Amino acid sequence: QQPVQSPQAVILREGEDAVINCSSSKALYSVHWYRQKHGEAPVFLMILLKGGEQKGHDKISASFNEKKQQSSLYLTASQLSYSGTYFCASLPTGANNLFFGTGTRLTVIP
Amino acid sequence: KAGVTQTPRYLIKTRGQQVTLSCSPISGHRSVSWYQQTPGQGLQFLFEYFSETQRNKGNFPGRFSGRQFSNSRSEMNVSTLELGDSALYLCASSLANPRAGGYTFGSGTRLTVV
Repeated sequence: QQPVQSPQAVILREGEDAVINCSSSKALYSVHWYRQKHGEAPVFLMILLKGGEQKGHDKISASFNEKKQQSSLYLTASQLSYSGTYFCASLPTGANNLFFGTGTRLTVIP
Repeated sequence: KAGVTQTPRYLIKTRGQQVTLSCSPISGHRSVSWYQQTPGQGLQFLFEYFSETQRNKGNFPGRFSGRQFSNSRSEMNVSTLELGDSALYLCASSLANPRAGGYTFGSGTRLTVV
């Protein structure tokens, strides 16, 4: 039930954009996105519920296509502080716990 | 408000020993989930507790067990430790389930089995 993320790793220069994709084989109630910096705990970024809405804050946003069970995270005008590993997490319909993807390591360089 | 507290932060154990890890969730949160994080496997779900009851369990052997107390604090236990149990163990707290909001994670317990 673990979602599949792509790419596994990406290197950006400051100011560039990136897209991280997440795909699940199960019908989903929601998708969560988290960021984990090295040596720290994962931090919740946002949740997307059924309905295909797009949410975001600052220059990080995401979309959720419930028909395809896919979500994408969009990072625009990247900053050094965006570096870290991004995880999507799926909440299958009827479940009470999240299943995390394998992660995408994002590195932003000056 | 105080965050999620996990103790201890670091542990070194010998193969065959057992270990107990502790997690205190955010005040008012009744759901506690445990995850094992390793470089190759990412975050793997262990189990989830709500109101002292295990609601969900992942695909881990019976050596991994847990419990939750009436104050929502949770412990997980690993018996007969193996080298492959070396990992970062993360506890995540939420109000009741992650349907409406995200998890808040603790800083984790890094377990090394030698």
